[in-house]
Amino acid sequence: EVQLVESGGGLVQPGGSLRLSCAASGFTFSSNWMSWVRQAPGKGPEWVAHINEDGSAKYYVDSVKGRFTISRDNAKNSLYLQMNSLRADDTAVYYCARGHLSYWGQGTLVTVSS
Amino acid sequence: DVVMTQSPLSLPVTLGQPASISCRSSQSLVYSDGNTYLHWFQQRPGQAPRRLIYKVSDRDSGVPDRFSGSGSGTDFTLKISRVEAEDVGVYYCMQATHWPKTFGQGTKVEIK
Repeated sequence: EVQLVESGGGLVQPGGSLRLSCAASGFTFSSNWMSWVRQAPGKGPEWVAHINEDGSAKYYVDSVKGRFTISRDNAKNSLYLQMNSLRADDTAVYYCARGHLSYWGQGTLVTVSS
Repeated sequence: DVVMTQSPLSLPVTLGQPASISCRSSQSLVYSDGNTYLHWFQQRPGQAPRRLIYKVSDRDSGVPDRFSGSGSGTDFTLKISRVEAEDVGVYYCMQATHWPKTFGQGTKVEIK
């Protein structure tokens, strides 16, 4: 059974940093590209970042470029999102997802507020 | 960015009756490999989104056959042949042909 479990969310002040993690199991992690998708309260999903199978290619939505970094550790079956210079409009539930968003985790809430 | 426009935004439906959601893109979603990367997602209250349909019309594993997708180019449709109580939620289309991937605004399906 495919499982994706996010962690690392919480309350952070504007300008602060957080690192999200996603533990994957039930499939060959190293053979799949992975994404982070977020959903602000009461809004629709927004794709944030994508990384290919070996981590050599990374793509970001414009609003997070230069602030967020996606990475992966295939030996640990784990996906990460380093978030710096956080802003209030980054407040959202952050989901990791496999491939063409075929599987999603349950998400971790990030709240940016003073 | 490609804009995805869904209609209607709210869809009250009687149990057992059909439902249809439209999704239009601001650009063609046909990729250079010939595939059309238009997907549909269901989000039940309090849950993460779940993919129902990928590449316009392919149903994901475990998705009831009352769900079907169709369309081409810039116009797409999700149909539910007979709505059941468990179908209540918000439905999103999403294009993955162009960067960045973008979602529609969502259509809220509720029971009359």
